[in-house]
This record gives sequence, C-alpha cells and structure tokens, in this order.
Amino acid sequence: QITLKESGPTLVKPTQTLTLTCTFSGFSLTTSGVGVAWIRQPPGKAPEWLALIYWDDDKRYSPSLESRLTITKDTSKNQVVLEMANMDPVDSGTYYCAHKHPASWIFDYWGQGGLVTVSS
Amino acid sequence: DIQMTQSPSSLPASVGDRVTITCRASQNIITYLNWYQQKPGEAPKFLIYAASSLQRGVPSRFRGSGSGTDFTLTITSLQPEDFATYYCQQSHSTPITFGQGTRLEIK
Repeated sequence: QITLKESGPTLVKPTQTLTLTCTFSGFSLTTSGVGVAWIRQPPGKAPEWLALIYWDDDKRYSPSLESRLTITKDTSKNQVVLEMANMDPVDSGTYYCAHKHPASWIFDYWGQGGLVTVSS
Repeated sequence: DIQMTQSPSSLPASVGDRVTITCRASQNIITYLNWYQQKPGEAPKFLIYAASSLQRGVPSRFRGSGSGTDFTLTITSLQPEDFATYYCQQSHSTPITFGQGTRLEIK
C-alpha cells in the first residue's frame, strides 16, 4: 500500500525559504521509472505541478518556478524534500506530494496535503 | 506550455443524471489525458488515465473519451458521492498542466 505524507511549516514569512518533506512508504525510490512530485493548489484553484525527482536523481521543474525550487531525495529515509525560496503571499495554498506512475506522468497516489500560509 | 480548458466551470445536476464534462488541450496530446476527482478538504483522487482507461476500483459509471485536443468525462447515473470537483491533466509533456476544474454540484 502506497502512502505519502507531507510535513513542514504552516506559516512562513515573505522572502523566507519554505522547506517541505514528503515521507513515503509502499514503494522504493530506487525502482526504475518511479518518481515523486510536488504539486500545490491555491485555495479554490486548480492544482499546479511544481517539481519531480526520479529514482535516478533526474529532476524536473516547472519552468515558471524553476529558479526558486530545489528538490532532493533521501532514499535511506524514504523522503523527498522540496525547497522554495523567496516565498510570497501568492504562494499560499496546499502543497501535496504525489507518486508518479513509472510508465507515465500520472499521479496515482497523493499525500493528504499541507496548508502553507505566507504572511508577515 | 499546454493549456487545458475545462467546461463548464460548474455543473448543477441531480442524483441519477448523466453528465458530461469537457476538457480541451491547446495542442495535440494524443491520449495523454488523465482525470481526477477532488472533494473538499481532500487530495485529488486519480480516476482515469490515457483518456479512457479506468483506474482500478473506479466505478464503471465513469467514462472517459477523446483524443487529440478534445476529451470528455461522462458520469452515467450520478451518485451522491460523485458531487465533487473534477480536473483534467495532460501527461504529454512537461510542464504538466491541469484544467481549471469543473465543480459538479447538487441542483
């Protein structure tokens, strides 16, 4: 059974760096084709894909946010970490991590999400 | 970026109705189209992949179709648990993009 869970701060100040951790179980990030993605969703709006890290440490970022994002993994801990620099109030929303199916860009399992508010 | 446009934005319906949601891509995505269902306070749930294939455990009243740029999600005989927001997502190329959502609400 695949599960993922996000953890991190619920409140960050403008200009600060947000660090979120995704802890997962039920799959290995050493299996060929597997990836873990970060997706965010502002209140009342559509999900927005942010970043993905593959089993082989290959990384993909949303071009519009790439300069602010860093995704890393710790396979020994079954964790994926997302850092987003220079946070702004418009970055407020729910941040999800999700399992990417090995064969396609399908997000078949999602964490419960973590609400992040950016405010001074 | 591939833009995904859903219509309608909201859809009032009743239990037992048959409803159709449309998703249009800004360029040909073949059948790289997935659908998700999201209920308030929950993460999106993966329903359909490759335009028309149901994820395991998804009821057969959910049907996806389409190819190229035009896709539909049809729910035959709406059940109370189907009232939610539905999103399409293209998996053709990065950046991965989602439609703006269709809120299926009780009439």
